[in-house]
Amino acid sequence: QVQLQESGPGLVKPSETLSLTCIVSGGSVSSASYYWTWIRQPPGKGLEWIGYIYYTGGTNYPSYTASLKSRVTIVRDTSKNHFSLKLSSVTAADTAVYYCATMGQERLSFDIWGQGTMVTVSS
Amino acid sequence: QSALTQPPSASGSPGQSVTISCTGTSSDVGGYEYVSWYQQHPGKAPKLMIYEVSKRPSGVPDRFSGSKSGNTASLTVSGLQAEDEADYYCSSYAAINNYVFGTGTKVTVL
Repeated sequence: QVQLQESGPGLVKPSETLSLTCIVSGGSVSSASYYWTWIRQPPGKGLEWIGYIYYTGGTNYPSYTASLKSRVTIVRDTSKNHFSLKLSSVTAADTAVYYCATMGQERLSFDIWGQGTMVTVSS
Repeated sequence: QSALTQPPSASGSPGQSVTISCTGTSSDVGGYEYVSWYQQHPGKAPKLMIYEVSKRPSGVPDRFSGSKSGNTASLTVSGLQAEDEADYYCSSYAAINNYVFGTGTKVTVL
């Protein structure tokens, strides 16, 4: 059974780059079974899909939020079996709990979630 | 692409049923059979409850059921139990290669 664990700084300054890593156990980021996904949830608000990377290394980001798509990069490290999120030029609006998750390629649902990590953007 | 619309709240007494709606458009909910539902308890990560409109993952009680009609999907929780009190979110595949969540519904067990 795949398990996911997010790691990274809990505080980022405005205009800097947020960097988080999702450590994968019980599975491989090279697996063709999943899309390796990032989702976030601002305090007291709903969920927002940020994007995913798949086994070929290709990525997909939301086309409907240009302001997010232009700032997001998701990469993977097959040697360390993890994938990472980088979000540049952050503002207070990027304060959220960030989750990594798997999305099944066939059923397109977010099947397995990490516990989430809170990131606050503040000077 | 806007968030899918859910009612902010729903409630029911133990043993009763509650149904949550999730309204989108023909470009998301209405156009594809890829609607999923998630349960989130306070301070916890969401948990998949329903995928592909009406299918339950292993371990999810059959009290949870999903359906879809046109641009609106629904989640029904039958035989409400205290542990069902949580926030619920729908999600849908959206053209092209996008994924959108609902606004969320807080379910209260009276």
